[in-house]
Amino acid sequence: GEDVEQSLFLSVREGDSSVINCTYTDSSSTYLYWYKQEPGAGLQLLTYIFSNMDMKQDQRLTVLLNKKDKHLSLRIADTQTGDSAIYFCAERRSGAGSYQLTFGKGTKLSVIP
Amino acid sequence: NAGVTQTPKFQVLKTGQSMTLQCAQDMNHNSMYWYRQDPGMGLRLIYYSASEGTTDKGEVPNGYNVSRLNKREFSLRLESAAPSQTSVYFCASSPQIGGQETQYFGPGTRLLVL
Repeated sequence: GEDVEQSLFLSVREGDSSVINCTYTDSSSTYLYWYKQEPGAGLQLLTYIFSNMDMKQDQRLTVLLNKKDKHLSLRIADTQTGDSAIYFCAERRSGAGSYQLTFGKGTKLSVIP
Repeated sequence: NAGVTQTPKFQVLKTGQSMTLQCAQDMNHNSMYWYRQDPGMGLRLIYYSASEGTTDKGEVPNGYNVSRLNKREFSLRLESAAPSQTSVYFCASSPQIGGQETQYFGPGTRLLVL
């Protein structure tokens, strides 16, 4: 299919690690992004990874990319209540569709104090 | 810098009414976009403007029109609103079309069509 797939919900305890998974569709996708949306707000870019990378780390965030399986994950270490939000995976495809970001439906992360 | 701003924040319309959603960016970006977000859905692209003076249809353009008024401003018009257009509308901008640059999003306009 043409969809970017994510699980809809994830619940973790404060201080634990969160792992949000995403599968994308286009093996020639050039960039993959993670966005965070807090209630009532727009989307905020968290991080992105270029398709020739396997991993990218930025403070508490670790992005893993498995191109063979077209699988992307976002790990948040030491999850805090402020991390509660909806997280969107997005891909930028190559070629004629490269102007467009294709978004998943979002994973709602709930952090239990 | 304000980034991407959108007005209004909230709007209620009756079926058949028209309105224009405004968007402006102060980052000197070339490209601008309009998305809609529906419950349980990702964002779907309505229209985009690769550069000043150009506009193109996205995934779900029916029932909408856009105007790239100048480099800063990109408006979205609903000529005859329908309940199916109840949604949250996000404007975004990027330095240029494609490439690694991400898109920067506004706070959204929440539209209810009765």
